[in-house]
Amino acid sequence: DAKTTQPTSMDCAEGRAANLPCNHSTISGNEYVYWYRQIHSQGPQYIIHGLKNNETNEMASLIITEDRKSSTLILPHATLRDTAVYYCIVRDQTGSSNTGKLIFGQGTTLQVKP
Amino acid sequence: DSGVTQTPKHLITATGQRVTLRCSPRSGDLSVYWYQQSLDQGLQFLIQYYNGEERAKGNILERFSAQQFPDLHSELNLSSLELGDSALYFCASSVGEGLYGYTFGSGTRLTVV
Repeated sequence: DAKTTQPTSMDCAEGRAANLPCNHSTISGNEYVYWYRQIHSQGPQYIIHGLKNNETNEMASLIITEDRKSSTLILPHATLRDTAVYYCIVRDQTGSSNTGKLIFGQGTTLQVKP
Repeated sequence: DSGVTQTPKHLITATGQRVTLRCSPRSGDLSVYWYQQSLDQGLQFLIQYYNGEERAKGNILERFSAQQFPDLHSELNLSSLELGDSALYFCASSVGEGLYGYTFGSGTRLTVV
């Protein structure tokens, strides 16, 4: 069952920040938010993950709302190479369901335009 | 190169046949995951192994089976192939249960004719 809702597609101008929203209104306290992306038919690539606090790494920033019902992935300076499908996934890290499996939804197709 | 090696990259076979896809995980990773990606289904989780043991199962057909060997490489066996099995098959690996993310291989493109 899909636990996240993402827009089907988005456009972004090259050099601008790309802000990709994700709704996960039924998220529980043990569930982390993960972002992956898939560039045309390549293997998906891990971007970032978080639980409550905002996170930043060399690829992106993840902003999670205080109620944790939604999050935004920010690519600060999008390039043409960031054109991809971006997947937002929630995953329980504890208990018997902590198998590590990730369930991918349909994601957001981000088109970065010159 | 992600460190996860999948072979072969491409495979064309006939309906009714059996094929084996191979995955070598990144050095040090104990978990291996298999995913199927077809045009109309997106990325579907098939199965996970952790240090040789089956850990989780997704929507894997009975015609499909997998195993992880003592050297941690994994094989996905697909038998009695049907046209609908044509897809990209991805393997991923992680340290433990993947808290810090998975690393995916570049996939095997299977075409059943």
